Amino acid sequence: DTAVSQTPKYLVTQMGNDKSIKCEQNLGHDTMYWYKQDSKKFLKIMFSYNNKELIINETVPNRFSPKSPDKAHLNLHINSLELGDSAVYFCASSQDETLYKVRQFFGPGTRLTVL
Amino acid sequence: DQQVKQNSPSLSVQEGRISILNCDYTNSMFDYFLWYKKYPAEGPTFLISISSIKDKNEDGRFTVFLNKSAKHLSLHIVPSQPGDSAVYFCAASATGNQFYFGTGTSLTVIP
Repeated sequence: DTAVSQTPKYLVTQMGNDKSIKCEQNLGHDTMYWYKQDSKKFLKIMFSYNNKELIINETVPNRFSPKSPDKAHLNLHINSLELGDSAVYFCASSQDETLYKVRQFFGPGTRLTVL
Repeated sequence: DQQVKQNSPSLSVQEGRISILNCDYTNSMFDYFLWYKKYPAEGPTFLISISSIKDKNEDGRFTVFLNKSAKHLSLHIVPSQPGDSAVYFCAASATGNQFYFGTGTSLTVIP
């Protein structure tokens, strides 16, 4: 059983298009995240949601909008795609227990290529 | 501003030997550290963690050492096995929720 799943795995699109990446976790976790791994392999957090509420929103362009219909899903919508949006996007989830037990479970990633 | 750095992008080790992966951080407020392992076309998977109240944590062949004064973290794998070949990311947190990741070290274990 896949714990954190993302669709699609690959996404190739033209500049200016609007696209979505879906994420689902079946771990019963309260918190979900979106990370971006750029060409330099730097893995950086974009958003964090806890029980459908936004708790972390890093300096991400407002073309990126996360949507959480329920605590098992956190989808990422990207409007007016730009070349610099090309990256691998990882969804993750965690169960907030105590400070020292927070570890994240990652999805397989979505490789977005903007042409 | 990269708060977590892994300065060695790659490392090759003979099977059976020790692999040592290093990680440095700049934020003295970080108090929880993790190592993740990533295979190609897969997401990172949790490997081992350590809190700042400890200087060592061991789990089987994997040991993480923390030197707070040097702001340095290392992961030791012994003995190294070919299946350990992967990219290893270290991550650090000051809040318990938001993690800062390094850029990863690609480990190749040569049979």
